[in-house]
Amino acid sequence: DAGVIQSPRHEVTEMGQEVTLRCKPISGHNSLFWYRQTMMRGLELLIYFNNNVPIDDSGMPEDRFSAKMPNASFSTLKIQPSEPRDSAVYFCASSSTGGNTIYFGEGSWLTVV
Amino acid sequence: SQQGEEDPQALSIQEGENATMNCSYKTSINNLQWYRQNSGRGLVHLILIRSNEREKHSGRLRVTLDTSKKSSSLLITASRAADTASYFCATDASGGYNKLIFGAGTRLAVHP
Repeated sequence: DAGVIQSPRHEVTEMGQEVTLRCKPISGHNSLFWYRQTMMRGLELLIYFNNNVPIDDSGMPEDRFSAKMPNASFSTLKIQPSEPRDSAVYFCASSSTGGNTIYFGEGSWLTVV
Repeated sequence: SQQGEEDPQALSIQEGENATMNCSYKTSINNLQWYRQNSGRGLVHLILIRSNEREKHSGRLRVTLDTSKKSSSLLITASRAADTASYFCATDASGGYNKLIFGAGTRLAVHP
């Protein structure tokens, strides 16, 4: 059974460029989460979706960040324009309603230079 | 913002010893979970304890929860080198959405 799949695993981009991170949740899961992990701030919840609808985006840092979930099997997190301080590991995770465990992908390691 | 705070931030022990990590949180919760993260990997769920439970076991793991003190502990008994990882507590106060807020984590190093 495939887990949460994220792409790309690693990305190095120049400041000002657009970055798009992708996530395929576990089939049948209807909650999806985007987290960001840095040494300074730890693991922060950016946004979560339930049944493809954004429920809470209070963790999204600023307007440069946007997330979409066009269908139950795909989500994107976009940063435009990117800045060096966006360098972090971005995790996507999913869970099923009624289930308490969330399942993480392996992360997308973003470096903005 | 982080809900939980783990201590210690780092722990170094020898194989065979027990490792205890603590977590404190700020608000009322539905449940508290512990996750493990190996270097360069995603987080993996270890164990969940509900707000009406006081203690839970899973293999070599023992978790306690004291809601009056808003604290939890994770005990790993008879540690192994393969237990080397970061351990995070996460609290769910979302009432069904699994909105987990993670602490800063404890880095555990188990030396052979």
